[in-house]
Amino acid sequence: NAGVMQNPRHLVRRRGQEARLRCSPMKGHSHVYWYRQLPEEGLKFMVYLQKENIIDESGMPKERFSAEFPKEGPSILRIQQVVRGDSAAYFCASSPDRGGNTIYFGEGSWLTVV
Amino acid sequence: GQQLNQSPQSMFIQEGEDVSMNCTSSSIFNTWLWYKQEPGEGPVLLIALYKAGELTSNGRLTAQFGITRKDSFLNISASIPSDVGIYFCAGAYNNNDMRFGAGTRLTVKP
Repeated sequence: NAGVMQNPRHLVRRRGQEARLRCSPMKGHSHVYWYRQLPEEGLKFMVYLQKENIIDESGMPKERFSAEFPKEGPSILRIQQVVRGDSAAYFCASSPDRGGNTIYFGEGSWLTVV
Repeated sequence: GQQLNQSPQSMFIQEGEDVSMNCTSSSIFNTWLWYKQEPGEGPVLLIALYKAGELTSNGRLTAQFGITRKDSFLNISASIPSDVGIYFCAGAYNNNDMRFGAGTRLTVKP
C-alpha cells in the first residue's frame, strides 16, 4: 500500500512565479490536509479538504494561496506570486474515510524562493 | 489548528539514558498521536492512542493517553543515536481539528 505521495520533492521558484505542489493520498483515504513547516519550527495547519470540498481553510493565508482536491487526480496546493517568505517545507497528510483520526504524512515538498 | 503545549522544547542526552516528553491542552481530545521527524523527511507516525488511560508501547517507545484526556506523554527507554530527531505530539477531537505541538528536538550523544 503506497503511502502519501507528494511531488515535487524540491522546487525552486523565482519571486513572482507560481508554485504548484501535488499530493496523492493513501489508497482508501479521501481526507487531505496541508501543513507548512518553516525552518526550525513546528507544523502549521493550512487547509483540510475532502473530495471536491474545502472543509477548513482557517490556516491558509488570505491571498496568493489556494488548494483543491478534485474528484479525479491529486490534491493541489497553489501559491501564486511567490515571495521569499513562502520558502518552507509543505507537507500533505491523509486520513481514512472511516475509523479514526490518525493521519499519515507524505515526505514533503521543499519550496525555495530565490 | 491551534498549537498544543509540548515540552521540553529540546533535550540533550547521553546514549543509554531514558527520555520523557509530554503534551498538554486546555481542550479534551479523543485521539493522541506521536510522530518523529528526521531532517529532510516527513513526520512518521510512532504511536496512536484512542482511549483515555491507554498505555501503548512500540519497541522502546511507550506513550500514554492521559486520564483527563487533556495530556499525553512519550517515553523512550535506553536511547540510541538513531533516536535523534524532532518528536511531535498531535491531538484531535475530530478529523478536521488536529492540533500539533511545537516539537521536542532530541539530541543523543554517543
